[in-house]
Amino acid sequence: GAVVSQHPSRVICKSGTSVKIECRSLDFQATTMFWYRQFPKKSLMLMATSNEGSKATYEQGVEKDKFLINHASLTLSTLTVTSAHPEDSSFYICSARDTTPSSPLHFGNGTRLTVT
Amino acid sequence: DAKTTQPPSMDCAEGRAANLPCNHSTISGNEYVYWYRQIHSQGPQYIIHGLKNNETNEMASLIITEDRKSSTLILPHATLRDTAVYYCIVRVGNNAGKSTFGDGTTLTVKP
Repeated sequence: GAVVSQHPSRVICKSGTSVKIECRSLDFQATTMFWYRQFPKKSLMLMATSNEGSKATYEQGVEKDKFLINHASLTLSTLTVTSAHPEDSSFYICSARDTTPSSPLHFGNGTRLTVT
Repeated sequence: DAKTTQPPSMDCAEGRAANLPCNHSTISGNEYVYWYRQIHSQGPQYIIHGLKNNETNEMASLIITEDRKSSTLILPHATLRDTAVYYCIVRVGNNAGKSTFGDGTTLTVKP
């Protein structure tokens, strides 16, 4: 089955620093990947759609300068949380689907970010 | 994408079938029904999807009503490891993205 690998699984950083999260599709090519954020006991909230070779599309209310997304290849997208603050602490999840019509999303195992 | 409605929580006895309903009364003709589940502190896992015919795989069965306004995910023999939040999502099959997650159903399988 399709596998999406997300790293790191956990990261702790100090306020003001930047953190990069990687999302890789291991056995399929993904022209589009998606980044979600999840607060405790809440559902997934779509942050942005990552498009290979072009700019990401951000959902309303998501700061594109704070959450930098790069989709450099058909198998890799990165999310960089810039100048992190404690309120950025959250569970971040990426997903991807291949180009087959109606193919489902496949998700990474998430990254738990704690900003101190 | 069409909105879905799911009960917030359900219980099921271990070994019994778990039947999880989803209402998607505004579904369009070209929208598929997808089911995912999320175990605590993990990324969601794809379970099954369908357009209008019933589907079955090694994990579950999906029953879609004839008018496609609702569906039921069936876990035939629930185990404790099936305790999770189950999400029903509808979206166009060739849509490049934006699967919107509702609150899902928290299924608790009890011994």
